[in-house]
Amino acid sequence: AQKITQTQPGMFVQEKEAVTLDCTYDTSDPSYGLFWYKQPSSGEMIFLIYQGSYDQQNATEGRYSLNFQKARKSANLVISASQLGDSAMYFCAMRVGGGFKTIFGAGTRLFVKA
Amino acid sequence: DGGITQSPKYLFRKEGQNVTLSCEQNLNHDAMYWYRQDPGQGLRLIYYSQIVNDFQKGDIAEGYSVSREKKESFPLTVTSAQKNPTAFYLCASSSGGHRPSSGNTIYFGEGSWLTVV
Repeated sequence: AQKITQTQPGMFVQEKEAVTLDCTYDTSDPSYGLFWYKQPSSGEMIFLIYQGSYDQQNATEGRYSLNFQKARKSANLVISASQLGDSAMYFCAMRVGGGFKTIFGAGTRLFVKA
Repeated sequence: DGGITQSPKYLFRKEGQNVTLSCEQNLNHDAMYWYRQDPGQGLRLIYYSQIVNDFQKGDIAEGYSVSREKKESFPLTVTSAQKNPTAFYLCASSSGGHRPSSGNTIYFGEGSWLTVV
């Protein structure tokens, strides 16, 4: 069975510091994709970053990077230089090869302190 | 602008009523999805559709129905059989392709809040 686990219900970070949001996944399929989304209080889901299971390098998108450790089945999101606008819910998601289903973790609420 | 439009943003349902949430996309995506989100929770898949006139049940399909008569549209009906429908509903779409890639990232609409009164 496929599963996404986010063990941090809430995280605090000081403005301008870096923060890591944890995500572990479980699948027996060798082909999969991992996604991170941000959900502000308005409710919209904003795509942040993607990592494919066959990608050799960790994905980066601006201040976002994905620490992909395949052997440990982890795909942690790193946000550098946190901003007040980064305060939101963050969801890790996975899509397995051959299917259209994308499953989501329970999310981590990030609070950025001034 | 390309995107996914959900309507209405807020909807109130009386006990025993069916209500329909609209979802339209102009991204030319093959696949469309409906997710349910309860307060403080993650997203759970209700239904998804890979192509027109075809759809599959997700993890929590009971009490819901969908149709996919046009590529651009994927309405969700919350029936009276759904005993606890109060939630935030998100419609999404993605391009086709069976191998995961950045090209078939799921994109979301702004969501619809449904409340039972």
